[in-house]
Amino acid sequence: QSALTQPPSASGSPGQSVTIPCTGTSSDVGGRNYVSWYQQHPGKAPKLMIFEVSKRPSGVPDRFSGSKSGNTASLTVSGLQAEDEADYYCSSHAGSNNLVFGGGTKLTVL
Amino acid sequence: QVQLVESGGGVVQPGRSLRLSCAASGFTFTTYAMHWVRQAPGKGLEWVAVISYDGTNEYYADSVKGRFTISRDNSKSTLYLQMNILRAEDTAVFYCGGSYYYDSGGHYLQIGNGIQYWGQGTLVTVSS
Repeated sequence: QSALTQPPSASGSPGQSVTIPCTGTSSDVGGRNYVSWYQQHPGKAPKLMIFEVSKRPSGVPDRFSGSKSGNTASLTVSGLQAEDEADYYCSSHAGSNNLVFGGGTKLTVL
Repeated sequence: QVQLVESGGGVVQPGRSLRLSCAASGFTFTTYAMHWVRQAPGKGLEWVAVISYDGTNEYYADSVKGRFTISRDNSKSTLYLQMNILRAEDTAVFYCGGSYYYDSGGHYLQIGNGIQYWGQGTLVTVSS
């Protein structure tokens, strides 16, 4: 149950796009289409932004998109806004009905 | 509206036990796998355990296996986490979360599909 790998930080200016990668293995990200992304503001609970690699729950802006290639999933935030500044975590089904999270990426809007 | 309200956190000595509860409302509890996820101070999210919608299957992270037990009472729409032999490294905010048991293609998933609903968290501090 090794954590997925994310860069500790990412940044972009308002209006720009930023992509956050999440690297796993063929046992988790690469072998399943159950990758999710969560947004967490300081002191708050996480919020589901993407599920099943690229699907958005109702209410999540279409500025948020997800994709996957091989063992790496990615979250792209387009048209960056100040309120997008937060920590972002990927997760994936793994092994025998386990869940694994990435280490998290702090997104800064410059 | 959907609510998940955790309770039972607090300060406990190493080696002792604690039981967390998570009361659910505003959604059909019996169609959701339920998770516990924790976050140590200043650290990232760590998945702890999951229980299937009907309580028949439980799965645990290696770090808590044999010490923690997840359970649910569907008649009360409540999730539990019994934590035994607590260690300093178990200090964290514990969140409960709900994950719908079908994917978008209608396939049943024992551990659900993305954690859609989250509680506000309850802090557990293990210290002498």
